[in-house]
Amino acid sequence: NAGVTQTPKFQVLKTGQSMTLQCAQDMNHEYMSWYRQDPGMGLRLIHYSVGAGITDQGEVPNGYNVSRSTTEDFPLRLLSAAPSQTSVYFCASSWTGWNAPLHFGNGTRLTVT
Amino acid sequence: SQQGEEDPQALSIQEGENATMNCSYKTSINNLQWYRQNSGRGLVHLILIRSNEREKHSGRLRVTLDTSKKSSSLLITASRAADTASYFCATDASTGANSKLTFGKGITLSVRP
Repeated sequence: NAGVTQTPKFQVLKTGQSMTLQCAQDMNHEYMSWYRQDPGMGLRLIHYSVGAGITDQGEVPNGYNVSRSTTEDFPLRLLSAAPSQTSVYFCASSWTGWNAPLHFGNGTRLTVT
Repeated sequence: SQQGEEDPQALSIQEGENATMNCSYKTSINNLQWYRQNSGRGLVHLILIRSNEREKHSGRLRVTLDTSKKSSSLLITASRAADTASYFCATDASTGANSKLTFGKGITLSVRP
């Protein structure tokens, strides 16, 4: 039981490049979410999903796309990277949403130059 | 603005002492959660307390919730060097279509051996 797995651990992009951050969970959780963590800002919700085929925007969705074709996977796409997207990105999942503990991956540290 | 705000921002104590961390929030909540984050890692869930609960325990952790004051506290008793980490409170104030778990900016706890 690996929990929540994020890849890659580190990534450097040039401005304008695109990439996909991968997130997979093996706990059969319905809820999955993406957060970004910036110094002094805490964690901010980017997008979330309440089940396969259903996604919704969080607090800071601009510049990011998500899809949820399976229960296990919830990739986050950066369409055209900007330096403001330099951050640490965390994927999290839970059984039933915000009324249950979140299980976090170990994060992806992204630098956009 | 952040829903949950932790206090103090940083705390340094000697091993064996107790550590008390506080979280205040602005609107009514369904539940409040505390998480720990070790350096370079994802967040780990500690305790979830629902709005109709006043106190919960888990090992050396005690969490209280005062909904009239819109505040919560996390007490770590008999602290150890391994408790050194950042601690976050997160509030679920979801209503209908507005659904999210909002994190505070965190408290940095240092436990000196």
